[in-house]
Amino acid sequence: DSGVTQTPKHLITATGQRVTLRCSPRSGDLSVYWYQQSLDQGLQFLIQYYNGEERAKGNILERFSAQQFPDLHSELNLSSLELGDSALYFCASSVDGYSNQPQHFGDGTRLSIL
Amino acid sequence: AQTVTQSQPEMSVQEAETVTLSCTYDTSESDYYLFWYKQPPSRQMILVIRQEAYKQQNATENRFSVNFQKAAKSFSLKISDSQLGDAAMYFCAYRSGVTTDSWGKLQFGAGTQVVVTP
Repeated sequence: DSGVTQTPKHLITATGQRVTLRCSPRSGDLSVYWYQQSLDQGLQFLIQYYNGEERAKGNILERFSAQQFPDLHSELNLSSLELGDSALYFCASSVDGYSNQPQHFGDGTRLSIL
Repeated sequence: AQTVTQSQPEMSVQEAETVTLSCTYDTSESDYYLFWYKQPPSRQMILVIRQEAYKQQNATENRFSVNFQKAAKSFSLKISDSQLGDAAMYFCAYRSGVTTDSWGKLQFGAGTQVVVTP
């Protein structure tokens, strides 16, 4: 158990819909990362938050947004969903974003768009 | 931008034998970290081992060890005494040192599928 909790584990929805993925980091971790794993794109970094502030952005679509709340949990919002958004979405956390401390991953949320 | 290349889509190994997975990366930075993550069929991402670029000594974690060749930008993973539970997808990942734009994001390779046969 990595200590990172992601909910829900599975999500099935239709094109055009909006979903919210939730992540609770490990106790003591201030940094939260979101990654997308798809068959064609592999594992891609989406966005990172540190102590409530956005720190780095990767290949995140404009239809996607995220935030980190004062209690440090994070949410990834995906809107106007397309078939290509079907993927495994991982949240990871680390103590900070700059030391040698590794990122620990949650079990992921599998999103299926029908 | 950094790139991570894993040139072996799949590697097969017999139980108790040794297998080596290759990883090369491209960077102009001198301060960075390298990781190997394991993803079993359960799809979890499990940290296997990590290496700081400033350390010359190769990291070791039980049956897992790395061969870090900084000049060659190579970071291979050796799995000794392979077990059935080692069967998984293995990802090599690069993380920059302190930078203002990447701030700790992981750049992953495409992965190598390890098949362990009895």
